[in-house]
Amino acid sequence: GAVVSQHPSRVICKSGTSVKIECRSLDFQATTMFWYRQFPKQSLMLMATSNEGSKATYEQGVEKDKFLINHASLTLSTLTVTSAHPEDSSFYICSASPGQGAPTDTQYFGPGTRLTVL
Amino acid sequence: AQRVTQPEKLLSVFKGAPVELKCNYSYSGSPELFWYVQYSRQRLQLLLRHISRESIKGFTADLNKGETSFHLKKPFAQEEDSAMYYCALRGSGGSNYKLTFGKGTLLTVNP
Repeated sequence: GAVVSQHPSRVICKSGTSVKIECRSLDFQATTMFWYRQFPKQSLMLMATSNEGSKATYEQGVEKDKFLINHASLTLSTLTVTSAHPEDSSFYICSASPGQGAPTDTQYFGPGTRLTVL
Repeated sequence: AQRVTQPEKLLSVFKGAPVELKCNYSYSGSPELFWYVQYSRQRLQLLLRHISRESIKGFTADLNKGETSFHLKKPFAQEEDSAMYYCALRGSGGSNYKLTFGKGTLLTVNP
């Protein structure tokens, strides 16, 4: 079946540094990938939609200069949290859709990355 | 705007008892509804979607447009059903195809 991986699974960094999280589709090509953020005991909130070869579409309230998204290939999207602060600490989850990028494609989720900013 | 409400944060039942996880939604068009499940220490995975009208692991869910609900049901709960369940909605047209999740219901099935 469709598998999505994320790396790293956990990262701890100092305030002010930047952190990159990778999302890979292992056995399919993903025209579209999605980045979510999940706070403790809360739901997943969509941050942005990443399209291969074009700029990401950010949700309202998400700082595009803070959360840099790059979708350089059909199997890899990266999320870079720039100048991270403690309030950026969260669980970041990506998902990917196989197929031709149709809106109705099923999303397959990665295992998530736990970011802790000290 | 798209909104999904799961009124119960926690639900606890005994093995063999029926279980119903509630989900209500708000959307002006024709939505597509999903149930996702997250077992302990595992990733989120799709359980079922309303357009498939299928039963997965004994679970079913019927879209009730009049009541704007998509409740998840299972007649006889099993211990392995213990997990976090998320109801999600996808709108139609333009940028509305994004998934909007409810806050989730943690189901515990006791022996």
